[in-house]
Amino acid sequence: EAQVTQNPRYLITVTGKKLTVTCSQNMNHEYMSWYRQDPGLGLRQIYYSMNVEVTDKGDVPEGYKVSRKEKRNFPLILESPSPNQTSLYFCASSLGIDSYNEQFFGPGTRLTVL
Amino acid sequence: GQQLNQSPQSMFIQEGEDVSMNCTSSSIFNTWLWYKQEPGEGPVLLIALYKAGELTSNGRLTAQFGITRKDSFLNISASIPSDVGIYFCAGQLPFTYMNRDDKIIFGKGTRLHILP
Repeated sequence: EAQVTQNPRYLITVTGKKLTVTCSQNMNHEYMSWYRQDPGLGLRQIYYSMNVEVTDKGDVPEGYKVSRKEKRNFPLILESPSPNQTSLYFCASSLGIDSYNEQFFGPGTRLTVL
Repeated sequence: GQQLNQSPQSMFIQEGEDVSMNCTSSSIFNTWLWYKQEPGEGPVLLIALYKAGELTSNGRLTAQFGITRKDSFLNISASIPSDVGIYFCAGQLPFTYMNRDDKIIFGKGTRLHILP
């Protein structure tokens, strides 16, 4: 089944404790992206990657890191999480970046930073 | 940065009523997308629009790509309980290697509630 998977689905952690949220897609998509969703703010892009070893900042990159060593994986790293990073996170992928491709979203990771 | 203005923010309607929501922007988009998000899940694509003026239907859903390329609307006819959720519009800017404005921008969502 073609899908985007994220792990973990739920995570409660404490300020300053490094964490990684994994994202994997099995559709051979080139483009991958991370979003955070907050009430009243909709979906905001954190980072995106147009291909292996190519990553770029989205609208709200502060406090996050990503890597794209393989085409299928795009982990989101929070080196020192803070409470304002409590949010619902979505990974998404698409075949490419041109106008004829749509993004497929993972099921989401709900992160709480205490 | 570019923004999408999506309205209304929320709607309370009776089952069987038609629904209309829209997105506007000051920027021109190459693509308009409409997504639905149900509780505990990620957004799922409903309709994609690629040409100005394009009108596309998917069952009871109809969406249009505005002629100016700066707006789009989504209509749902004869609403049913499973239509409940958050609907997001998204626009994709033209990609150029000069300005790198190739991101997809999302509206803030319209939360649809259906009264029995």
